[in-house]
Amino acid sequence: GAGVSQSPRYKVAKRGQDVALRCDPISGHVSLFWYQQALGQGPEFLTYFQNEAQLDKSGLPSDRFFAERPEGSVSTLKIQRTQQEDSAVYLCASSLGGGPGRGDTQYFGPGTRLTVL
Amino acid sequence: GNSVTQMEGPVTLSEEAFLTINCTYTATGYPSLFWYVQYPGEGLQLLLKATKADDKGSNKGFEATYRKETTSFHLEKGSVQVSDSAVYFCALSRSGAGSYQLTFGKGTKLSVIP
Repeated sequence: GAGVSQSPRYKVAKRGQDVALRCDPISGHVSLFWYQQALGQGPEFLTYFQNEAQLDKSGLPSDRFFAERPEGSVSTLKIQRTQQEDSAVYLCASSLGGGPGRGDTQYFGPGTRLTVL
Repeated sequence: GNSVTQMEGPVTLSEEAFLTINCTYTATGYPSLFWYVQYPGEGLQLLLKATKADDKGSNKGFEATYRKETTSFHLEKGSVQVSDSAVYFCALSRSGAGSYQLTFGKGTKLSVIP
């Protein structure tokens, strides 16, 4: 079956441009997470959805970052007025539901590598 | 807050050598613990997990035991193969209601040479 897919796989933006990154979770997965992975670092949590509800956005680094999941399936992470420090790999993960605290496994997509020039 | 510390890499081993990658954590309550692996050019994959103290997770010859007394979850494999070359991430999650994000270590790059 299909795993988590993300598009585009690579994105180059000029500083100040807006970008939109898409995540298609595994069908039927209730929970969806976004992470940011800087070069040589582990992923860091950005935001979490349960169905269409954004339950936690505490990891979003600034108000330039916005995420949505309007119909409880596909999600979009939008970054406005990109800065060089936004350059990173953006990972999306989905899980059946209930969260990893109950042993629920998160399945990761391949990521979108964003480079801001 | 929650944090994960894992041994710095890179680690280079000969094929069939014994592998240990140390991981310790700081967390409130009783977290669930995970090892994820990232093979070259691929996404993160769950390798193994343990959800309570003294549980042992195992997969593909890798093992890790949840040690609450030492707040550790060290990854071990008795005989590594070239195909095990990858970056390994230790991670935890809270087990209570509310937020369920994973907190990751920085990763340890393993290279296995023939």
